[in-house]
Amino acid sequence: AQSVTQLGSHVSVSEGALVLLRCNYSSSVPPYLFWYVQYPNQGLQLLLKYTTGATLVKGINGFEAEFKKSETSFHLTKPSAHMSDAAEYFCAVSDQGGSEKLVFGKGTKLTVNP
Amino acid sequence: DADVTQTPRNRITKTGKRIMLECSQTKGHDRMYWYRQDPGLGLRLIYYSFDVKDINKGEISDGYSVSRQAQAKFSLSLESAIPNQTALYFCATSDGGLGRTEAFFGQGTRLTVV
Repeated sequence: AQSVTQLGSHVSVSEGALVLLRCNYSSSVPPYLFWYVQYPNQGLQLLLKYTTGATLVKGINGFEAEFKKSETSFHLTKPSAHMSDAAEYFCAVSDQGGSEKLVFGKGTKLTVNP
Repeated sequence: DADVTQTPRNRITKTGKRIMLECSQTKGHDRMYWYRQDPGLGLRLIYYSFDVKDINKGEISDGYSVSRQAQAKFSLSLESAIPNQTALYFCATSDGGLGRTEAFFGQGTRLTVV
């Protein structure tokens, strides 16, 4: 069975500081990995995804994530936080069979302080 | 107009009442999903549908039922609502297996059962 652990339910950074949101996964088969973002009072939208190939994945709004198989991690980063980045972020994992089963982490709420 | 529209956006209902949450999409996708979001628990899959004649249970289907009235419409019903069904409910669509393609989410329905 697959699972996702997001370290830190709340992360607070200053505007302009580095954003680092941690995600570790467990999967017995090669995973597909996703980051979704949920802005206040909205549904989730895809930030980026890793399927195969290049392990450093670039997404929207300046975010990127690196797949590290040896560490079973897929941490999300952004060099410089902006106030508009305040949202809840979800890491998700699925197997490469292309199944319907997408397992979400519990989410990390990012606060950006002026 | 939003690609995935959920109605109502907010609803308060009493224990034991029947309630239906509706979802419609203009993406033209065959696959539709209902998720439940609880604070600190992330998103959990309730039901999903590959097309009008193909409906499948997710991980937490007990106490819920669904109806796929058309390719564009997927409704979630609580036959006899109970307080622990108080949550934020999301409808989503995709153009392929959720494990490998992007999911498009509605803005959510906040349901409170008193």
